[in-house]
Amino acid sequence: AQKITQTQPGMFVQEKEAVTLDCTYDTSDPSYGLFWYKQPSSGEMIFLIYQGSYDQQNATEGRYSLNFQKARKSANLVISASQLGDSAMYFCAMREGTLLNRGSTLGRLYFGRGTQLTVWP
Amino acid sequence: ETGVTQTPRHLVMGMTNKKSLKCEQHLGHNAMYWYKQSAKKPLELMFVYSLEERVENNSVPSRFSPECPNSSHLFLHLHTLQPEDSALYLCASSQERGGQGASTQYFGPGTRLLVL
Repeated sequence: AQKITQTQPGMFVQEKEAVTLDCTYDTSDPSYGLFWYKQPSSGEMIFLIYQGSYDQQNATEGRYSLNFQKARKSANLVISASQLGDSAMYFCAMREGTLLNRGSTLGRLYFGRGTQLTVWP
Repeated sequence: ETGVTQTPRHLVMGMTNKKSLKCEQHLGHNAMYWYKQSAKKPLELMFVYSLEERVENNSVPSRFSPECPNSSHLFLHLHTLQPEDSALYLCASSQERGGQGASTQYFGPGTRLLVL
């Protein structure tokens, strides 16, 4: 089974509007972290926001917020007031456990296939 | 320089060439990673180094050889590659700690590799 599922290959939003990018995850580990990254056409993977499995409140970073619904295993990214520069590929990722558990796959970062966001004027 | 840097940014090589990719992190982190990103495929983890020791080799062919001389530098040595190895190679680093919580990985700009 896929660890991270992003069901939207592409999304379009008008400038200044809000957009939600979907992400669901699969894990039985009680300790995990969820991440969103942005990848513009230049290729660099830019970290946007992090949500820990034990965090009680949804994470926010400027115009980015993470709608964390633990029971549904959902971690959607909400971008408010979209800008033209937001056009990029967005990846949801999950990390289970810690890397210091040597010899296991704990600590690996699992990525979804991404959503291509296009912001139009 | 800040963050994670990678050189070269672009590389074209023949199947018989030997080349190396370099990654340097200026964040004081203790773990470094190599990822491969091919078209239409999710990011694939290749190698993980924690405290300069390789802790994972994700079934990567031997034509890829990593080297981590210290906690700030990571290399990927390439030898007799195949055209299907053409991809974006991303380096990342993180500060690993025991206990709960997942550390954030910070990525470099990547090296776009084309194998002819």
